[in-house]
Amino acid sequence: GAGVSQSPSNKVTEKGKDVELRCDPISGHTALYWYRQRLGQGLEFLIYFQGNSAPDKSGLPSDRFSAERTGESVSTLTIQRTQQEDSAVYLCASSLAISNNEQFFGPGTRLTVL
Amino acid sequence: KQEVTQIPAALSVPEGENLVLNCSFTDSAIYNLQWFRQDPGKGLTSLLLIQSSQREQTSGRLNASLDKSSGRSTLYIAASQPGDSATYLCALRGGSEKLVFGKGTKLTVNP
Repeated sequence: GAGVSQSPSNKVTEKGKDVELRCDPISGHTALYWYRQRLGQGLEFLIYFQGNSAPDKSGLPSDRFSAERTGESVSTLTIQRTQQEDSAVYLCASSLAISNNEQFFGPGTRLTVL
Repeated sequence: KQEVTQIPAALSVPEGENLVLNCSFTDSAIYNLQWFRQDPGKGLTSLLLIQSSQREQTSGRLNASLDKSSGRSTLYIAASQPGDSATYLCALRGGSEKLVFGKGTKLTVNP
């Protein structure tokens, strides 16, 4: 595809349920990033992948959050036992490689936890 | 810890005006700085990327400058149009791979 795609575009779930968010990066991009944007807040970094490895997980808010990447392509962000404070837009970005390369963002997944 | 501040938080101008958006940061040890625009309900669109060794980048009516010593970047928009209305975000990459974002400037260009 031409750009980064994310699915679903919107997700409404009940507190305590698990959710999976998907990101398809631009073909050939080895680096992939997850961010979230809570209402009225700036974007906060969650995790990044170089290939299929995640060298920096420091941004994950709690152990309920996990992410994986396979085939140096698609990535999934999983949130277990969702809480209302997890409500946010989750944005994925990719870049050709780590170091000085421009990050291109997907349209995001808007997650609402009731 | 790197902190990024964007002032003003909101700006409203008449069509045709030239304008400057400001971004300041606390740690000058950066690798690059990127300006984005975000439209309501949409993702981020990359506008300009300035490497740490560069002082400015230009794309069409947009010009971004970087002054590491003073911890500042500006985004200059010439001859603004209603279609420029959006939130503009400044983000920079420091010693780690993540981007640190400001909270943005919401720009409204009135016809």
